[in-house]
Amino acid sequence: GAVVSQHPSWVICKSGTSVKIECRSLDFQATTMFWYRQFPKQSLMLMATSNEGSKATYEQGVEKDKFLINHASLTLSTLTVTSAHPEDSSFYICSAPQGNYGYTFGSGTRLTVV
Amino acid sequence: QKEVEQNSGPLSVPEGAIASLNCTYSDRVSQSFFWYRQYSGKSPELIMSIYSNGDKEDGRFTAQLNKASQYVSLLIRDSQPSDSATYLCAVNKPGGFKTIFGAGTRLFVKA
Repeated sequence: GAVVSQHPSWVICKSGTSVKIECRSLDFQATTMFWYRQFPKQSLMLMATSNEGSKATYEQGVEKDKFLINHASLTLSTLTVTSAHPEDSSFYICSAPQGNYGYTFGSGTRLTVV
Repeated sequence: QKEVEQNSGPLSVPEGAIASLNCTYSDRVSQSFFWYRQYSGKSPELIMSIYSNGDKEDGRFTAQLNKASQYVSLLIRDSQPSDSATYLCAVNKPGGFKTIFGAGTRLFVKA
């Protein structure tokens, strides 16, 4: 089946630095990638939708200048958390739609900002 | 009103019992419905998808959809301790791939 590879699986960074998270579709072309954030014991919250070759669409309340999304190719979408702060610590997950067959999720990235 | 609502639980059932998970959604024109399982610290994995009214069975899992009542459920027969996880109900927004997730129901299966 379709696989989305997400890296890194966990990262610890210092407050004020930037972190890049990558999601690659391994055996299919993902024209769209969704980025979610999940805080402990809470549900997935959609942050933004990235589309290959165009600007990402951000959900209300998500700072586009802080969470930079790039979808430069049909197999790679990246999320960069800029000037990270402790409140950005969360579980970040990407997913690619499979039509009416749901989503294929990446394995997630646990970000801890210290 | 949340777009997708689930009882957060926890729901606790003994091993071998039937676990029943429920979900309601607010957008009447929704077409696609999904159940995902998420283990702690892991990303969700798709268990079932259902698109038309009625029941859909896959192994120990049965999804039930009632569009008139805007209600989706997941039954897990012969529950196993390995079924202990959070179950997310998800509904596709009409006209695109955007999916709204419920907050999830935590299930504990006691050995």
